[in-house]
Amino acid sequence: GAVVSQHPSWVICKSGTSVKIECRSLDFQATTMFWYRQFPKQSLMLMATSNEGSKATYEQGVEKDKFLINHASLTLSTLTVTSAHPEDSSFYICSASRNLDEQFFGPGTRLTVL
Amino acid sequence: KQEVTQIPAALSVPEGENLVLNCSFTDSAIYNLQWFRQDPGKGLTSLLLIQSSQREQTSGRLNASLDKSSGRSTLYIAASQPGDSATYLCAVVGQAGTALIFGKGTTLSVSS
Repeated sequence: GAVVSQHPSWVICKSGTSVKIECRSLDFQATTMFWYRQFPKQSLMLMATSNEGSKATYEQGVEKDKFLINHASLTLSTLTVTSAHPEDSSFYICSASRNLDEQFFGPGTRLTVL
Repeated sequence: KQEVTQIPAALSVPEGENLVLNCSFTDSAIYNLQWFRQDPGKGLTSLLLIQSSQREQTSGRLNASLDKSSGRSTLYIAASQPGDSATYLCAVVGQAGTALIFGKGTTLSVSS
C-alpha cells in the first residue's frame, strides 16, 4: 500500500510553453501533498504544500503565479509550470501524506526546457 | 530555521565493510526523522522512519539511531554491497503534517 504515482516521468518542452505534472495517491487518500524540486547534485527543496480544497502554501522565493498547484481531490494534485524557461529545468517530486506520520514519494518528473 | 547536515558528502568503501552515515539537525524539536535512498535520476526510496520518541529502527542490514537531544542521527549499513551504491538522504519533520526538510545527502560507492 501507500503508492504515489507521477505523470509524466519526463517531459521536454520549448521555452514559453506550460507543462502540467500530476501526482496521484493510488491506494490512499491524501489530505496533504507536497511538491519538491531537486536541481542536479542538490538536495530536495520544498516548493509548496498543497491541501485538498484549499490554496497551496508556497515557500519563500517560489513564484505562485509561475508554479500553479491544484489539489482538487484527495488523490490528485497537479503542478503546472507556466511559461517554462530553461532555468525551470529540474527534477520535480511530489509526496503525499496518508496520516500525519509518514510521507510517500512519487517517482519524480524530469523537466527539460529547451 | 531547521537545517539538516550530512557528513560525509561522499564515501567510497570496498564491499563487505560496515559503515556509518551521519546526519545532524539544528532544531531538536522534531516530529520524526526519515532516511531515504536515491539512485541516480530516480525518485526516493524510504529506508527507515524514526519517531521522535524512538531511539532506533532496524531493517535488514540497516540500523538508524536517533539522539534527539543532541540533534543527531546515524545510519549504519552492515556488510556493504555494490548494490548499496546510491545517495542517502536524511530528512526531518518539525511538526506532524508538515514537509520534510532534507540534508544534501551522502553519496556512497561500494566497490566489488
